[in-house]
Amino acid sequence: EPEVTQTPSHQVTQMGQEVILRCVPISNHLYFYWYRQILGQKVEFLVSFYNNEISEKSEIFDDQFSVERPDGSNFTLKIRSTKLEDSAMYFCASSLAGGNSYNEQFFGPGTRLTVL
Amino acid sequence: KNQVEQSPQSLIILEGKNCTLQCNYTVSPFSNLRWYKQDTGRGPVSLTIMTFSENTKSNGRYTATLDADTKQSSLHITASQLSDSASYICVVSHNFNKFYFGSGTKLNVKP
Repeated sequence: EPEVTQTPSHQVTQMGQEVILRCVPISNHLYFYWYRQILGQKVEFLVSFYNNEISEKSEIFDDQFSVERPDGSNFTLKIRSTKLEDSAMYFCASSLAGGNSYNEQFFGPGTRLTVL
Repeated sequence: KNQVEQSPQSLIILEGKNCTLQCNYTVSPFSNLRWYKQDTGRGPVSLTIMTFSENTKSNGRYTATLDADTKQSSLHITASQLSDSASYICVVSHNFNKFYFGSGTKLNVKP
């Protein structure tokens, strides 16, 4: 069964460093998403991406964050200058269609980011 | 303010029993409402998706209801199993591709 994969599973970085989290969505999916979940808190929407551009983003997704689909398979989240409060589990998801349909989103296993 | 509130925060039931989880939302405009199951340390898994015109949707032992007038939804789990122990999250879609998550109900099914 096709699945969303994410690498690395755990990333440790120093405050102020740039990190890139990588995701490989399901191959025929067209919509891609990033979410984060701070330990013990709820999942938070960061950004949705379609047709090589951001379709929606949350207030969390400020200028420190960027997303890219550099080739036909990868979808990346970049954090330019990490802060302690960026420590969280980051989930990537993909769906065949957009939010105005019964588009089931499939989530990856997550990347745990720890900022020291 | 767009919000999704869930209750109870946590719930313990015996294996084989039924339970109902609640979700209230203030998200507008509303696109659809989803219920997810999240095991600890894993990504959420979709259970149901409902648009404003749907009142009920089932997926096996999971039945979700939606009252778009009162902005309330419930998830009913029938004949619970140990494997149902997880967090259940209500998510409301806003403008189709923006999503608001509830804090979840942590369900513990005991033998």
